[in-house]
Amino acid sequence: QKEVEQNSGPLSVPEGAIASLNCTYSDRGSQSFFWYRQYSGKSPELIMSIYSNGDKEDGRFTAQLNKASQYVSLLIRDSQPSDSATYLCAVINAGNNRKLIWGLGTSLAVNP
Amino acid sequence: GAGVSQSPSNKVTEKGKDVELRCDPISGHTALYWYRQSLGQGLEFLIYFQGNSAPDKSGLPSDRFSAERTGGSVSTLTIQRTQQEDSAVYLCASSFGQGLDTQYFGPGTRLTVL
Repeated sequence: QKEVEQNSGPLSVPEGAIASLNCTYSDRGSQSFFWYRQYSGKSPELIMSIYSNGDKEDGRFTAQLNKASQYVSLLIRDSQPSDSATYLCAVINAGNNRKLIWGLGTSLAVNP
Repeated sequence: GAGVSQSPSNKVTEKGKDVELRCDPISGHTALYWYRQSLGQGLEFLIYFQGNSAPDKSGLPSDRFSAERTGGSVSTLTIQRTQQEDSAVYLCASSFGQGLDTQYFGPGTRLTVL
């Protein structure tokens, strides 16, 4: 089992819809969770970080963390074509020298 | 302030040559990571430096790969006797560490081995 798993997609949603991206992790000791966005040919950039159970909202983005079920999700409301990218989930386990462990990413396509 | 910088942005080399890739992290960041990303693939962890601790080299694919970080700042990734399968984008990222773990990425170096 991979440490951080994501559905590779592609996930296709119409413009204006809600896109839901999911990530599961294997280590219960994980403490910090991140969502990055990577456009084709570009470097990853941070969208959200979340550290506590529950929801965290920032504009059209909401991160949801459930440590008991070991998943973290990212919701994108009112999806725009400019949201089309690969979304990477990353997790830190404090016992692992705080090394960031990455999922392989989910490709999102928002169709006009 | 300045972000993470990497040089060169593009490198074309012949099989068997050695190459050096450079990363300048954000000032004050104690953690520095090197990743490799092949076209359409995920991030492949290579090596992780955290402060004065011994680096985590567990991701280096072979002994042709090495990296150093001088003075806790600039890092150089060296690939000896390059092979065509080494062709990829090499990304560097840094973070404050000490619990502030958000990584900031450089623009990457695209390496092409002919």
